Amino acid sequence: GAGVSQTPSNKVTEKGKYVELRCDPISGHTALYWYRQSLGQGPEFLIYFQGTGAADDSGLPNDRFFAVRPEGSVSTLKIQRTERGDSAVYLCASSPLGPANNEQFFGPGTRLTVL
Amino acid sequence: AQSVSQHNHHVILSEAASLELGCNYSYGGTVNLFWYVQYPGQHLQLLLKYFSGDPLVKGIKGFEAEFIKSKFSFNLRKPSVQWSDTAEYFCAVNDYKLSFGAGTTVTVRA
Repeated sequence: GAGVSQTPSNKVTEKGKYVELRCDPISGHTALYWYRQSLGQGPEFLIYFQGTGAADDSGLPNDRFFAVRPEGSVSTLKIQRTERGDSAVYLCASSPLGPANNEQFFGPGTRLTVL
Repeated sequence: AQSVSQHNHHVILSEAASLELGCNYSYGGTVNLFWYVQYPGQHLQLLLKYFSGDPLVKGIKGFEAEFIKSKFSFNLRKPSVQWSDTAEYFCAVNDYKLSFGAGTTVTVRA
């Protein structure tokens, strides 16, 4: 069956530009998560959606980062005025219900490089 | 916030050697514990998980982990590694959202 998919797989942009990263979760999964993985580190939580609403956005580093999930399936992570420090792999995961007692299934990630 | 420590940054072993990767977490309440693996060029995959019950958990590919509540630990083990176990291994704890350790790179020499 289809897993979590993310597009694009790679994105190179210039400092100051706007980028959008897309995540398609596993069909029927109500919970969706975004993480960021910098080189040599484990993934760090950014935001969690339950259905259409952001249940926890405490991991977003600043107001340049924003995410939406308007129909409760596909989600888009948006980064404004990108900075070189935003370069990382952005991971999306989904789970059938909420985070408690549920395995999260990860996508392949989008590697963002800000020049 | 949850803190997860993985004791080894890089482990190098020969095939058939035994592997043990340490993981400690900071939270004292009820937690769910996971080990994820990332093979070269692939995405994160679940190796095993602990939610409740038997503290010795068996996962895929011959891996197991033991939850020791008094030590806040969830160490990963495999009695005899193969070259194909070369990967990065992440311990994660979920008390609401996943908190990951920094990862351990395991290199198995043929």
